[in-house]
Amino acid sequence: EPEVTQTPSHQVTQMGQEVILRCVPISNHLYFYWYRQILGQKVEFLVSFYNNEISEKSEIFDDQFSVERPDGSNFTLKIRSTKLEDSAMYFCASSVAGASYNEQFFGPGTRLTVL
Amino acid sequence: AQTVTQSQPEMSVQEAETVTLSCTYDTSESDYYLFWYKQPPSRQMILVIRQEAYKQQNATENRFSVNFQKAAKSFSLKISDSQLGDAAMYFCAYNRGTASKLTFGTGTRLQVTL
Repeated sequence: EPEVTQTPSHQVTQMGQEVILRCVPISNHLYFYWYRQILGQKVEFLVSFYNNEISEKSEIFDDQFSVERPDGSNFTLKIRSTKLEDSAMYFCASSVAGASYNEQFFGPGTRLTVL
Repeated sequence: AQTVTQSQPEMSVQEAETVTLSCTYDTSESDYYLFWYKQPPSRQMILVIRQEAYKQQNATENRFSVNFQKAAKSFSLKISDSQLGDAAMYFCAYNRGTASKLTFGTGTRLQVTL
């Protein structure tokens, strides 16, 4: 069964460093998303992406964040200068276009730890 | 703005028994979707069940069913014949339709005891 994959599973970085989180969505999906979950808290939407453009973004997704689909398979989230409060689990998700059932498939997540 | 509220931080159920997890939401939209996601200790989000707001019939997936009350903006999840593998965080979520963001509740941690 096709699935969303994410790498790395755990990333440790120093405050102020840049990180890139990688995702490979399901191959026939056209909508892509990033969510984050701070430990013990709810899952929060960051950004959605379609047709090589950001469709929607939350207040969390400020100038320090960017997304890119550099090739036909990868979808990346970059944090330019990490802060302690960026420590969280980051989930990538994808969904197929035009589906009446509207399911977003989630990857296993990347745990980001900022020291 | 849409909000999703889960008022039960933790619930416990004995194996083989039935448990109901509560969720309420607020929206001004008439068409939308509601979901229950399961997050086991592995942290991966797994879709349990979905409900389209335009459908009056409550969704059912094997041992999982929902009680969708559109007027009351309530969307509870019933787990029948609970199994040890059902132990997880359960998140209620809402979105307006294809490609729109999911708004999650704060989650309910379900324990299943022998």
